[in-house]
Amino acid sequence: EDKVVQSPLSLVVHEGDTVTLNCSYEVTNFRSLLWYKQEKKAPTFLFMLTSSGIEKKSGRLSSILDKKELFSILNITATQTGDSAVYLCAVEEGGNQFYFGTGTSLTVIP
Amino acid sequence: DVKVTQSSRYLVKRTGEKVFLECVQDMDHENMFWYRQDPGLGLRLIYFSYDVKMKEKGDIPEGYSVSREKKERFSLILESASTNQTSMYLCASSLSPGRSSYNSPLHFGNGTRLTVT
Repeated sequence: EDKVVQSPLSLVVHEGDTVTLNCSYEVTNFRSLLWYKQEKKAPTFLFMLTSSGIEKKSGRLSSILDKKELFSILNITATQTGDSAVYLCAVEEGGNQFYFGTGTSLTVIP
Repeated sequence: DVKVTQSSRYLVKRTGEKVFLECVQDMDHENMFWYRQDPGLGLRLIYFSYDVKMKEKGDIPEGYSVSREKKERFSLILESASTNQTSMYLCASSLSPGRSSYNSPLHFGNGTRLTVT
């Protein structure tokens, strides 16, 4: 009964590759979907998505939400070793409940 | 920038000890949360609080309690630490939906890695 499922669990790519991380969810009172990057310490906020079809972009990272199919993707283009991290997807349900997936571990090899 | 500060980065405690993990945020956020993070299990919610003196159980409250006497501070208490409570503990805060016209993300502290021996 996981509310948020991320795939793949782990990924190893070479520098310069493009990666797509997936997040599917199932909540009854959706408010937002969030992506975080976690290296050695605290998760750092990347994106918050509330509307379908609107791409959020920050440098080489972009994300989009599909509220009909209940999923989101996070794309990273031209990957660098500094992108190596665990990427977490979270869904906010009404009432400030946040549900997290188990994360995708990305390793970028030089 | 929101700052969420956890008092310790690393703690080592013995089985049966009472353990206090402290968290302070400086952005006047109403909502505060305690999660634990374990490999393969992701982040699991222990307790959260919507306001001073208010607390709600999360998914795994057993063996834990919390205290929110001031808005900026949210403490997690392990009444009698056990080895299965060895984990990374993350505190987070967010703005209440009623106070803002936009959704507020969770802001995390740097985490406390607790080892119970």
